[in-house]
Amino acid sequence: SAVISQKPSRDICQRGTSLTIQCQVDSQVTMMFWYRQQPGQSLTLIATANQGSEATYESGFVIDKFPISRPNLTFSTLTVSNMSPEDSSIYLCSVAITGGWNQPQHFGDGTRLSIL
Amino acid sequence: SQQGEEDPQALSIQEGENATMNCSYKTSINNLQWYRQNSGRGLVHLILIRSNEREKHSGRLRVTLDTSKKSSSLLITASRAADTASYFCATGISNFGNEKLTFGTGTRLTIIP
Repeated sequence: SAVISQKPSRDICQRGTSLTIQCQVDSQVTMMFWYRQQPGQSLTLIATANQGSEATYESGFVIDKFPISRPNLTFSTLTVSNMSPEDSSIYLCSVAITGGWNQPQHFGDGTRLSIL
Repeated sequence: SQQGEEDPQALSIQEGENATMNCSYKTSINNLQWYRQNSGRGLVHLILIRSNEREKHSGRLRVTLDTSKKSSSLLITASRAADTASYFCATGISNFGNEKLTFGTGTRLTIIP
């Protein structure tokens, strides 16, 4: 498995501001994913981030709102831009250690974000 | 929309009893996975069952998969207070040469000491 560290663990932000969430993995991984979990809800995939290529966004999520960087095989960032109260959620990073199919994902502890 | 629907949404049982959670999905899958989440923290991977498998065991966990009915079940035997958590099924689906997970709605399990 892999150890995944997310920073910050939680934050309270003013509407209209932006926050960048960091995800650091203790080993090189092929695929990294960003999810959103709204209060009391399940996880929704925001985007898949592969090193050396643009992130692939899911329907309903756009790069202007959720820009993602993946500069190397152990690190990624997700920015939540121009935040509104509707963005209050837990944001989770996960990794699949090897590419291909039939792989479990390993999750960080998430970033709990509240927008005032 | 969510790929998986889980049943029940919430389950409370006495410690020592068995807990069964069900997951239904809509499309063809590569695999189905079960995850546990404690108190809004990160998810912990429990078990993965491939589309060509019918049953899998890991410790006190037993997972079944019926692709003809597009359904899966997770059985936790001899439950413990530490099993109190939310449990999610997730389907692994091919996505532009990679695989992505789509999560179900989750079952909130409470074990009563």
